[in-house]
Amino acid sequence: EAQVTQNPRYLITVTGKKLTVTCSQNMNHEYMSWYRQDPGLGLRQIYYSMNVEVTDKGDVPEGYKVSRKEKRNFPLILESPSPNQTSLYFCASRPTGGNTIYFGEGSWLTVV
Amino acid sequence: DQQVKQNSPSLSVQEGRISILNCDYTNSMFDYFLWYKKYPAEGPTFLISISSIKDKNEDGRFTVFLNKSAKHLSLHIVPSQPGDSAVYFCAASLYSGGGADGLTFGKGTHLIIQP
Repeated sequence: EAQVTQNPRYLITVTGKKLTVTCSQNMNHEYMSWYRQDPGLGLRQIYYSMNVEVTDKGDVPEGYKVSRKEKRNFPLILESPSPNQTSLYFCASRPTGGNTIYFGEGSWLTVV
Repeated sequence: DQQVKQNSPSLSVQEGRISILNCDYTNSMFDYFLWYKKYPAEGPTFLISISSIKDKNEDGRFTVFLNKSAKHLSLHIVPSQPGDSAVYFCAASLYSGGGADGLTFGKGTHLIIQP
C-alpha cells in the first residue's frame, strides 16, 4: 500500500530537548516536504526536498532542520524545541512531474 | 501576506443540498489548483484539481470552477452527504508539472453537513 509514514504520532517533550520526527514514503517519490498545521493558520510549509541531498526552506523554517540522505526518508529535526513549536506536523511526498501531494497521518508534538 | 485565502472558516449545509466552498488567490503566477479534504486525526487527502488552462473540472459529486480573471475558484459538492463533513483546504501551485516548489495552502473551511 502506497503511504507516507510518520513517527512518532504523538509526543510530549520539554523545552530544549532535541527530537526527531521521522518520515518515510514507499512510493519512490523524489519530492518530500514538511508542513505544520496551527489553528487559524492552515498548513504552512517548513522545509522541502527535491531529491536526495537537495533541501530548501519553506515558509516557516526557523527552529527546524532536515536531511535527505536517502530517497525514502526525510526526517524533521528540532535541535532545541520551544513551546511555539507545539503543533501538528505533516510529512508529504509527490513524484517529479506530479502535482498531487500525499500526506502522512500527522504527528502531534507538544513542547512544555 | 496570505496568497491563498479561504474567507469562510466554517460552512453548514443540509444533507442533499449543494455545498459551495470558495477560495481566492492573489498571485497571478499560480497555474495549478487543488482541493484537499481533511478529517480529524488524519492527514489531508487529495480531492480534485484544476489546471489554469481549464475553467471547470468534474469528478463525480465534486466540481471545481476556476475564474482566472477574478482569481477565484470554488468547489461544489452535489449532493452533500454526511461523510463530506471535514475541513477543506484550497491549495495553489506555481508549476503545473515537475514544479520545484510546493503548495501554498489556504487556512481551510470546516464543512458541516447537517442531517
